[in-house]
Amino acid sequence: DTAVSQTPKYLVTQMGNDKSIKCEQNLGHDTMYWYKQDSKKFLKIMFSYNNKELIINETVPNRFSPKSPDKAHLNLHINSLELGDSAVYFCASSQAQGAYEQYFGPGTRLTVT
Amino acid sequence: GNSVTQMEGPVTLSEEAFLTINCTYTATGYPSLFWYVQYPGEGLQLLLKATKADDKGSNKGFEATYRKETTSFHLEKGSVQVSDSAVYFCALTDTGRRALTFGSGTRLQVQP
Repeated sequence: DTAVSQTPKYLVTQMGNDKSIKCEQNLGHDTMYWYKQDSKKFLKIMFSYNNKELIINETVPNRFSPKSPDKAHLNLHINSLELGDSAVYFCASSQAQGAYEQYFGPGTRLTVT
Repeated sequence: GNSVTQMEGPVTLSEEAFLTINCTYTATGYPSLFWYVQYPGEGLQLLLKATKADDKGSNKGFEATYRKETTSFHLEKGSVQVSDSAVYFCALTDTGRRALTFGSGTRLQVQP
């Protein structure tokens, strides 16, 4: 069984379009995250939700809007896509207690042309 | 703020060689420390963790010890295999923020 899943795995779109990436976890965790990995492999936190409540919102353009319909799902919607949004986006989840080790999805490679 | 510094790669080794990837950190309080591995085209997998000073995390022959006095968490393996070729990330979380702060990653290439 897949613990953290993301769809789609690949997303190719044109500048100016709006797109969404979906994430689901079946680990029973109550905290979920979005990370962005750039072309140099550098990973940075974008957002974090705990029990559907936004707890981390890094300096991300407000074209990016996360939505958590329940604690097992965290979606990422991106408006007016730009070339610089091309990256791999990873979803992750963790428990709210303990060491907070996070479990990652397979990633979504977004290419904006 | 928190930060993690890793040695730059790529690190190229022959099969059965000894591996060390250096990692040092800056953090307030008592962070938990992690190593993650990313195989080509895949997501990140948790390799090992340590939650307090002098803890040793280990998995699949890899080890790392949480050294508070030197703020380090170096990754070691006694005998690498071609299948260990991947990018390795050192990371930390603190109790307040929870989000992972990653190092820049170190690419390991193991040649037969």
